[in-house]
Amino acid sequence: DAGVTQSPTHLIKTRGQQVTLRCSPKSGHDTVSWYQQALGQGPQFIFQYYEEEERQRGNFPDRFSGHQFPNYSSELNVNALLLGDSALYLCASSRDINSPLHFGNGTRLTVT
Amino acid sequence: GNSVTQMEGPVTLSEEAFLTINCTYTATGYPSLFWYVQYPGEGLQLLLKATKADDKGSNKGFEATYRKETTSFHLEKGSVQVSDSAVYFCALSVPGAGSYQLTFGKGTKLSVIP
Repeated sequence: DAGVTQSPTHLIKTRGQQVTLRCSPKSGHDTVSWYQQALGQGPQFIFQYYEEEERQRGNFPDRFSGHQFPNYSSELNVNALLLGDSALYLCASSRDINSPLHFGNGTRLTVT
Repeated sequence: GNSVTQMEGPVTLSEEAFLTINCTYTATGYPSLFWYVQYPGEGLQLLLKATKADDKGSNKGFEATYRKETTSFHLEKGSVQVSDSAVYFCALSVPGAGSYQLTFGKGTKLSVIP
């Protein structure tokens, strides 16, 4: 049983570019959340998707957007990249509101 | 707002030593509390959790007790092993936000030497 899978594992982009990160939730999970983890910091909540809609959002600008597909997989898009967007981006899925989050191994984004 | 404060690391211990990682929190409402562990090159794994005052979460020899009066959730283990070397994150989720929106501390890196 595959856990949460994310792609790519590493990515290098230039300032001003756009990036798309992908996530497949654990089998049986229908809710996906995205977190940003800067170096040496704890993860910060970006947003959560359920039933193909954004349900909750953290304190991130509109440059950060997402999508959830009918098969529950999800994408995180970041426009107009800044150097400060360099981080590990973690996807997490859950079976329901009372179940713990299962995290993927993350995508390491470097903006130069 | 909600916040979690963890003791600064890194923490270096000898094998079989006693471990304590302090965690205190500030939250609106009555949060659930968690400890997550991140091994090198991996994502976060839930280590243990507690959902109400005086609850004790435990897993793999680690324990933490939800202390409402001191707003704390300190992580302890009686005898650490080299394989426990990792970064440990204390986290909370607030009522109404479900388990989906976690607020994390900055993490404490633990290194256990033989």
